[in-house]
Amino acid sequence: AQTVTQSQPEMSVQEAETVTLSCTYDTSESDYYLFWYKQPPSRQMILVIRQEAYKQQNATENRFSVNFQKAAKSFSLKISDSQLGDAAMYFCAYKGPPRTGNQFYFGTGTSLTVIP
Amino acid sequence: NAGVTQTPKFRILKIGQSMTLQCTQDMNHNYMYWYRQDPGMGLKLIYYSVGAGITDKGEVPNGYNVSRSTTEDFPLRLELAAPSQTSVYFCASPPGGGPTDTQYFGPGTRLTVL
Repeated sequence: AQTVTQSQPEMSVQEAETVTLSCTYDTSESDYYLFWYKQPPSRQMILVIRQEAYKQQNATENRFSVNFQKAAKSFSLKISDSQLGDAAMYFCAYKGPPRTGNQFYFGTGTSLTVIP
Repeated sequence: NAGVTQTPKFRILKIGQSMTLQCTQDMNHNYMYWYRQDPGMGLKLIYYSVGAGITDKGEVPNGYNVSRSTTEDFPLRLELAAPSQTSVYFCASPPGGGPTDTQYFGPGTRLTVL
């Protein structure tokens, strides 16, 4: 099984500030896909952002952006102008190329607190 | 279009009891997944299906069974519930098998086995 590691069980950020959540992964593949999911207290999993490994450009979705370092196998999430609604668990996930199967692998999550 | 729905939302079982967790999607997706999420942990894949009549094991299939007789439904069966199966169960479905598929998750089922 692939390994996805989130080394920060908890993070906090002041409202309107910027925070970065870390994620590393282990793979021997060159073509794969990475995702960040948000899980608020409602427990619904919500896709925040995704990145294709073959793309050099870092993905961006409004206030959310990633720093994808392929050689280092690192995929961090940056949240700018943090809002109270950003408070949630954040999960990093990996999916290999289709020929390796259709499984997603998730990290253990980072709990983000936003301080008013 | 309700997306992915799961029932029940909550359930308490006694050791040895059986139950079926229901998952339905109305998006005509071929792929469906069952995950479990233990407290403080990430999601672990139990079983998945790439289409009606086709299922395959994930990382943690022991103690569970699935079936996929229709595109819409992917029920998860626990035959002899054990305390180790206390968890939150999520059903998910991407729109296809493509490389950049997101996953649409159901709201989850919180199961407690006493």
